[in-house]
Amino acid sequence: EVQLVESGGGLVQPGGSLRLSCVGSGFTFSSKAMSWVRQVAGKGLEWVSTLSGSGRDTYYADSVQGRFTISRDNFKNVLYLQMNSLRAEDTAIYYCARSDSSTWTGNFDYWGQGALVTVSS
Amino acid sequence: DIQMTQSPSTLSASVGDRVTITCRASQSINSWLAWYQQKPGKAPKLLIYKASSLESGVPSRFSGSGSGTEFTLTISSLQPDDFATYYCQEYKSYSVTFGQGTKLEIK
Repeated sequence: EVQLVESGGGLVQPGGSLRLSCVGSGFTFSSKAMSWVRQVAGKGLEWVSTLSGSGRDTYYADSVQGRFTISRDNFKNVLYLQMNSLRAEDTAIYYCARSDSSTWTGNFDYWGQGALVTVSS
Repeated sequence: DIQMTQSPSTLSASVGDRVTITCRASQSINSWLAWYQQKPGKAPKLLIYKASSLESGVPSRFSGSGSGTEFTLTISSLQPDDFATYYCQEYKSYSVTFGQGTKLEIK
């Protein structure tokens, strides 16, 4: 059974940093591109970033480019999102999501349960 | 960026009804469209990919159609478990975008 479990969410002040983690199990982690998608409470979904299965190719939304860094450890089956210079508008639930290929094909076949990030003073 | 517009935003229906949700893209996305179902407090769940392909394990009462800029998700006979919010998502561009969602409510 495919499982994705996020951790690392919490309350952080504006300008601060936070690192999210997502542990994958039940599949060959290195064979799938992995992404982060966020959702403001009660609102729609926004794609944030994607990393290919090899870790070689990265993709970012304009809204986080230069502030967020996606990475992965294929030995530990973990996906990371390092978030710096956080803003109030980054407050959201952050979902880890799997793609159906090792390269970025664009759709998400499995999702984690999400990690809440709150940016507030 | 490609913009995705869903209609209606809210839909009230009864168990057994046939319902259709529409999604329009601001430019052609061929068949690079997915549909997701989300229930309160839960993660989205993939229902349909490539506009009309049913994800494994998804009931056959769900179907998708369309290509280019106009797409539909149809539920042939609503079941109590189907009341949720539905999102379309384009994946023609690498910076994928979602529709704003359609909330399916019990009438």
